[in-house]
Amino acid sequence: SQQGEEDPQALSIQEGENATMNCSYKTSINNLQWYRQNSGRGLVHLILIRSNEREKHSGRLRVTLDTSKKSSSLLITASRAADTASYFCAYLGGSNYKLTFGKGTLLTVNP
Amino acid sequence: DAGVIQSPRHEVTEMGQEVTLRCKPISGHDYLFWYRQTMMRGLELLIYFNNNVPIDDSGMPEDRFSAKMPNASFSTLKIQPSEPRDSAVYFCASSLRQGRETQYFGPGTRLLVL
Repeated sequence: SQQGEEDPQALSIQEGENATMNCSYKTSINNLQWYRQNSGRGLVHLILIRSNEREKHSGRLRVTLDTSKKSSSLLITASRAADTASYFCAYLGGSNYKLTFGKGTLLTVNP
Repeated sequence: DAGVIQSPRHEVTEMGQEVTLRCKPISGHDYLFWYRQTMMRGLELLIYFNNNVPIDDSGMPEDRFSAKMPNASFSTLKIQPSEPRDSAVYFCASSLRQGRETQYFGPGTRLLVL
C-alpha cells in the first residue's frame, strides 16, 4: 500500500502539554500536508511543507520533514481542549495530483 | 467565499436505489476531487477532475460509481444501484490551478445504505 502511516493512532494529553504526531511514507514526494478533522466535519488544511524544506512553523504548529527517512512530524505546542480532533498527514508525489492520506491520529486534549 | 458546498449532508436510502451526491467547488479552483472515508479504509481518492475533465478515476470502486463535472461550478457523484457497503462519508475537495497545493474540503455527505 502507498498509504502513509501515522503514529500514534491515538494520543491523549492534558491541556497545556505538547502533542507530537509522526507520519511515514513510502515514495518520493513533492510536498507533505497536515490536515485536521473535527468529529463529523470535513478536513481542514493546517500546513504544507515542500520536499526541499526541513521545518515549517504556523502559530502553535511546527512541522518537520526528513526526506531521507521518509518521515514527518507535527508538533502542537501548548495544546488546548479545542485541539481535540483527528490529524492526518497527506503527501503528494509523482507526476499526478493525487494526495495520499494516512489513517490519522486521534488527539484528545483533556481540560 | 462560501467554501466547497456539498449536498445533501445526510442521505439514507435503501439498497438498489440510485444516489446522487452534489458538489460546488470554490470559484476559480481548477481541480476537483471526490473522496470516500470509512473506518476500515480511511480516506480514499475516488476520482479527480482538472478543468472539468476527469483525469484519474482509478479509485472508483466499480462501475456502479460514476462522476461528472458538466461545468466549472458543479460536479456529481452517482451510485447506481447502491449497496450497503457503499455506506461512508463522501467528501468533495477543490484546489487551485496548480493542483499541488492545499485542497479545500467540503463538509461531506454521510451516506447510509440500508
